[in-house]
Amino acid sequence: EPEVTQTPSHQVTQMGQEVILRCVPISNHLYFYWYRQILGQKVEFLVSFYNNEISEKSEIFDDQFSVERPDGSNFTLKIRSTKLEDSAMYFCASSEVGAGVGSPLHFGNGTRLTVT
Amino acid sequence: GQQVMQIPQYQHVQEGEDFTTYCNSSTTLSNIQWYKQRPGGHPVFLIQLVKSGEVKKQKRLTFQFGEAKKNSSLHITATQTTDVGTYFCLSAGGTSYGKLTFGQGTILTVHP
Repeated sequence: EPEVTQTPSHQVTQMGQEVILRCVPISNHLYFYWYRQILGQKVEFLVSFYNNEISEKSEIFDDQFSVERPDGSNFTLKIRSTKLEDSAMYFCASSEVGAGVGSPLHFGNGTRLTVT
Repeated sequence: GQQVMQIPQYQHVQEGEDFTTYCNSSTTLSNIQWYKQRPGGHPVFLIQLVKSGEVKKQKRLTFQFGEAKKNSSLHITATQTTDVGTYFCLSAGGTSYGKLTFGQGTILTVHP
């Protein structure tokens, strides 16, 4: 069964550094998402992406965050200047059509970001 | 904005007992999805409900969507240790580009 893959599985970075989290969504999916989960807390929506542009973003997704689909397969999340509170598990997801109209989200295994 | 409240936050049961988690929305939903996240894992899709009053079953799991499409529940009959994890509902307002909001999740612990 096709999978969403994320790399790296764990990223450690110093406060103020830039990080790029990478995702390869399922190939025939059109909608892409980033979520994050701080340890022990709920899964929080960051951003959705369709047709090479952001569809929706949450209050968390401020100017420090950006997303890109640099080629036909990768979907990246960049955090420009990491803060301690950015430490979390970041999940990428994709869906065939929008989940709002009934398509399940398929999640990757996540990247654990630790900011020191 | 759309608010989804999920209760309870935690549930500890003895193996064999039943378990229910509830999601309540402040707005009418076009559909609701349920996900399970095992400890250390990622959310995995369980089911989607679309119609008012819809009830779906998956073995020991029963999912319901309220008549007003503002609330939903997941019920597990006779829990097993393999049911351990966090159960989330995901709500969408109805557009393809909607901001998809997870409930807070219910962490289920099953004691053997």
